[in-house]
Amino acid sequence: GAGVSQSPSNKVTEKGKDVELRCDPISGHTALYWYRQSLGQGLEFLIYFQGNSAPDKSGLPSDRFSAERTGGSVSTLTIQRTQQEDSAVYLCASSRGSQTIYNEQFFGPGTRLTVL
Amino acid sequence: GIQVEQSPPDLILQEGANSTLRCNFSDSVNNLQWFHQNPWGQLINLFYIPSGTKQNGRLSATTVATERYSLLYISSSQTTDSGVYFCAVSNDYKLSFGAGTTVTVRA
Repeated sequence: GAGVSQSPSNKVTEKGKDVELRCDPISGHTALYWYRQSLGQGLEFLIYFQGNSAPDKSGLPSDRFSAERTGGSVSTLTIQRTQQEDSAVYLCASSRGSQTIYNEQFFGPGTRLTVL
Repeated sequence: GIQVEQSPPDLILQEGANSTLRCNFSDSVNNLQWFHQNPWGQLINLFYIPSGTKQNGRLSATTVATERYSLLYISSSQTTDSGVYFCAVSNDYKLSFGAGTTVTVRA
């Protein structure tokens, strides 16, 4: 079956612009996660959705970052007024659920964001 | 969050050699996953192994949850095994990743 898909695969933007990153989880997966991977920070958690609700936004680095999920499926991560330190690979993952046995996470190919 | 330490940070192998990668973690977990990050950056699932032992071809993994560590074994290594191997753990839903082990297999 189809895996997690993300778009765009690459995004180059100018400092101060807004960007939207999209994630399509595996069909039937109720839990969705955003992470980012950068050289200095490794892989870090950003936000978790169960259905359309985001009970944990604790990893979002600033109020310029927001995310939503609609229809229990597609999610969009929005970064407003981008800064150079936002440059990273943004990874999306999904799992069948968040309880043990169902919580194996599967990752998409990522969106590489470069802020000039 | 849970602290995750992976060792060694780098590993250079001759094709055909065997190796062991280690992951230590600081708290009890309900999820432990091993990933291989390919040259294009994709995280490939190797094992979901919060406890016990599993094998998949030339790879196997063991997690001793009571002692808070996991081991990934690579046997008869091939050049295609090169890349970064990550261990990630969770006791709720968010994965905490180690810094990875970079494996280079030389022909």
